[in-house]
Amino acid sequence: GAVVSQHPSWVICKSGTSVKIECRSLDFQATTMFWYRQFPKQSLMLMATSNEGSKATYEQGVEKDKFLINHASLTLSTLTVTSAHPEDSSFYICSAGPGQGSNEQFFGPGTRLTVL
Amino acid sequence: GQSLEQPSEVTAVEGAIVQINCTYQTSGFYGLSWYQQHDGGAPTFLSYNGLDGLEETGRFSSFLSRSDSYGYLLLQELQMKDSASYFCAVIKQAGTALIFGKGTTLSVSS
Repeated sequence: GAVVSQHPSWVICKSGTSVKIECRSLDFQATTMFWYRQFPKQSLMLMATSNEGSKATYEQGVEKDKFLINHASLTLSTLTVTSAHPEDSSFYICSAGPGQGSNEQFFGPGTRLTVL
Repeated sequence: GQSLEQPSEVTAVEGAIVQINCTYQTSGFYGLSWYQQHDGGAPTFLSYNGLDGLEETGRFSSFLSRSDSYGYLLLQELQMKDSASYFCAVIKQAGTALIFGKGTTLSVSS
């Protein structure tokens, strides 16, 4: 199946700093990627839809100025958590689908963010 | 609003059969997917139903009834490694994001 990678797999940062998370589709091109957030023992919540070459679409309640998304190429989307605070500590996961009639979404391995 | 309801926990023994139900209420429906997630890991795709009926993939099967807004995941010949969280997820339109249920924690004992 298709492979999606994420980097870094984990990061610890101080409150007030910014953290960038990369999501790459390794063997297919993705015009659309999705960013989810998962708190412990909870479900995955969609944060935003990342569109190659255009602005991301954010879900209600997600601050677009805090969670900056850039989808500059067909294989890379980045999520930058700006001015991170402890409440932003979570598991961030991206996904993409190969399209071409497939309804399967492939998930990256996730990035665990801890803000001190 | 939209909601996906599934049981929070299910327990079973090795070799048994388990069914995890999912009822959904969404503003749009294209298909229902099932994902497995082990602690600390990413979700992995198990099955997809776009049409009514049963889809079988090895030990796992998934069923959908669009008229009842209902689906289920059937896991047969349970193994210890099947202990994980299972999520149903709705795709509202082709190519759009998944809307996840709250997940069902399956514990398999020997």
